[in-house]
Amino acid sequence: DIQMTQSPSSLSASVGDRVTITCRASQGISNSLAWYQQKPGKAPKLLLYAASRLQSGVPSRFTGSGSGADYTLTISSLQPEDFATYYCQHYYTPPRTFGQGTRLEIK
Amino acid sequence: QVQLQESGPGLVKPSETLSLTCTVSGDSINNYYWNWIRQPPGKGLEWIGNIFYSGTTDYNPSLKSRVTILVDTSKNEFSLTLRSVTAADTAVYYCATSRVGAPYFDCWGQGTPVTVSS
Repeated sequence: DIQMTQSPSSLSASVGDRVTITCRASQGISNSLAWYQQKPGKAPKLLLYAASRLQSGVPSRFTGSGSGADYTLTISSLQPEDFATYYCQHYYTPPRTFGQGTRLEIK
Repeated sequence: QVQLQESGPGLVKPSETLSLTCTVSGDSINNYYWNWIRQPPGKGLEWIGNIFYSGTTDYNPSLKSRVTILVDTSKNEFSLTLRSVTAADTAVYYCATSRVGAPYFDCWGQGTPVTVSS
C-alpha cells in the first residue's frame, strides 16, 4: 500500500494568515491526490482533486500543488470557517489511503 | 445532487456481524461507485471498499476477508457487512460516492457511529 504522510500534524494560525500543509506519498502518485476538509462531527468535504483542481463551490483561497510524491495544500488567507482538520488521499493504485490528518487551530 | 444516508445498529457485540445500509436519493445508483469509509474515534480515515451498480467490488486488502458490499438497484441502496468484529472496528462509518475515472470521494453521507462492545 502507498503510505501518505502529512505535516505538520497540527498547526496554529490566525485569521488572515497564509498556511501550507504538506502531504508526502511513499512513492510517486502522478497527481492522483485529493484534499478534504473535516469539521468536528461532520463528514469530510472534498476540496481539491488531481492535486490542484478545485471542486465546484470551494473558495479560490484553497490551492493545491505538487508532483511526484510531494504535494501541498495552501490556504491563502484563513477565514474563521477554515479551522478544521485536513486530509490528503491518493488514488493512484488500490487501496486508496489517506494521510493521518492536519488539525488547523485558531491561534 | 445525490444524497446519502447511512442506517444500521449503533452497537454490535464482539465476534458478531456489523451490517449497515446506505440509501441513495437524488440520482440513479447506476451513475457512481459506492464506497464505505470508516473513522475510528479521534483517528484518521480508512477506505473499506466499493461497489459499482453492476456488482463489481473492490475491497481494502486489510479488511477483504471480513467484508462484503452489495448493491440493490431496485431500492437505490447499498450495504456493508463486516464479520467477526472486534473493538478495533468501533468507528463512524460513512458511505460516499466516487465516479468512473475519478476515484476520489465527492459526496458523503453524514456518517453513523458503530460501537463494538459486549
